[in-house]
Amino acid sequence: ETGVTQTPRHLVMGMTNKKSLKCEQHLGHNAMYWYKQSAKKPLELMFVYNFKEQTENNSVPSRFSPECPNSSHLFLHLHTLQPEDSALYLCASSQDSQGDSPLHFGNGTRLTVT
Amino acid sequence: EDQVTQSPEALRLQEGESSSLNCSYTVSGLRGLFWYRQDPGKGPEFLFTLYSAGEEKEKERLKATLTKKESFLHITAPKPEDSATYLCALGGETSGSRLTFGEGTQLTVNP
Repeated sequence: ETGVTQTPRHLVMGMTNKKSLKCEQHLGHNAMYWYKQSAKKPLELMFVYNFKEQTENNSVPSRFSPECPNSSHLFLHLHTLQPEDSALYLCASSQDSQGDSPLHFGNGTRLTVT
Repeated sequence: EDQVTQSPEALRLQEGESSSLNCSYTVSGLRGLFWYRQDPGKGPEFLFTLYSAGEEKEKERLKATLTKKESFLHITAPKPEDSATYLCALGGETSGSRLTFGEGTQLTVNP
């Protein structure tokens, strides 16, 4: 399998649930990212990992908890979410995290919080 | 602060009607300017990277160009399958790993 794979593609969860989003990249990249995409808004960076180390946390609420066990896998653990957290969550990877390498995105998880 | 503004917000073309999408930007030290295509329900698909003013990249009916203030995505003789949202993103020297994305141009090509 090639590229960036995200699971699940769709997720509906209640405000008291706990769930996790999974991302895997097969590109040999060193950096991985979580982005949030809401309607009519630009992509919003959430977290950056470079060589498994978190290098960016864009003031994301603690109800979102990332985990990067190795350079190929990235998780986003969700708990006690709010309805306004409903969005498309995109995982991406790049060769490095210096801003000069293109990001390669997965197809996202469409999250609905009820 | 790096900024990206894309125009128009939406564009409707007839098949074969060439046009251009604009990405205006301000940046303190350009590391890279990126174009992406996004289809409904999918993640953005990487198209081009431009690094310096005067650079051009081409792929099929698409051609991206770069000046010191803006980038254009030229679409020559578009087909209905070119319909998508096109995103522009910017990497700057002071932003590190934070790419700045525009809001996108939604392109519709009618047969």
